Amino acid sequence: GIQVEQSPPDLILQEGANSTLRCNFSDSVNNLQWFHQNPWGQLINLFYIPSGTKQNGRLSATTVATERYSLLYISSSQTTDSGVYFCAVDRRDSSYKLIFGSGTRLLVRP
Amino acid sequence: DAGVIQSPRHEVTEMGQEVTLRCKPISGHDYLFWYRQTMMRGLELLIYFNNNVPIDDSGMPEDRFSAKMPNASFSTLKIQPSEPRDSAVYFCASSLPGPQSVNTEAFFGQGTRLTVV
Repeated sequence: GIQVEQSPPDLILQEGANSTLRCNFSDSVNNLQWFHQNPWGQLINLFYIPSGTKQNGRLSATTVATERYSLLYISSSQTTDSGVYFCAVDRRDSSYKLIFGSGTRLLVRP
Repeated sequence: DAGVIQSPRHEVTEMGQEVTLRCKPISGHDYLFWYRQTMMRGLELLIYFNNNVPIDDSGMPEDRFSAKMPNASFSTLKIQPSEPRDSAVYFCASSLPGPQSVNTEAFFGQGTRLTVV
């Protein structure tokens, strides 16, 4: 099956710093999503981004489908950004089932 | 829309008991997914439905697990009998693939934290 690898596995930032999270996938995809799992366990949709670039406030994401990777940028990080960031993809086989990476655990210190 | 709704939010049960988790997908979504999250295995897909029909249940760990979707607005995941290793967070998600697979964004419920003692 398709492999989804995220890096780095863990990241510690000082409040106000910027960061880049990476997601590599091993096959052509129909869908790519970034999620934030907050400390209460809730999975929050950040971006639906099978290709191209999107921005939402301090967060932005870029997916280069031909090279099979996606990047999530967090600028001016805040303590509320802490949690686990997941990348998930579904293969271009019309099954629509998301396969998740193992996540990047982010801790933003005040 | 209220989003995907799961119940209960927390469930503590004794080993051997039957457990039923419930999910109401977003209205109009025709795909429904059940995921399980554990520290060891991360987020893994258990089963998914399209138009109330189970399409792929290859992720269901054992025969003790079963899932149903009697109608477009309700699904259940049942574990019988439950075991301590079933302790995990169970998520339900739904999506609405558009024509030619345009916009297949999935939305997740808040999850059910199951503890089997």
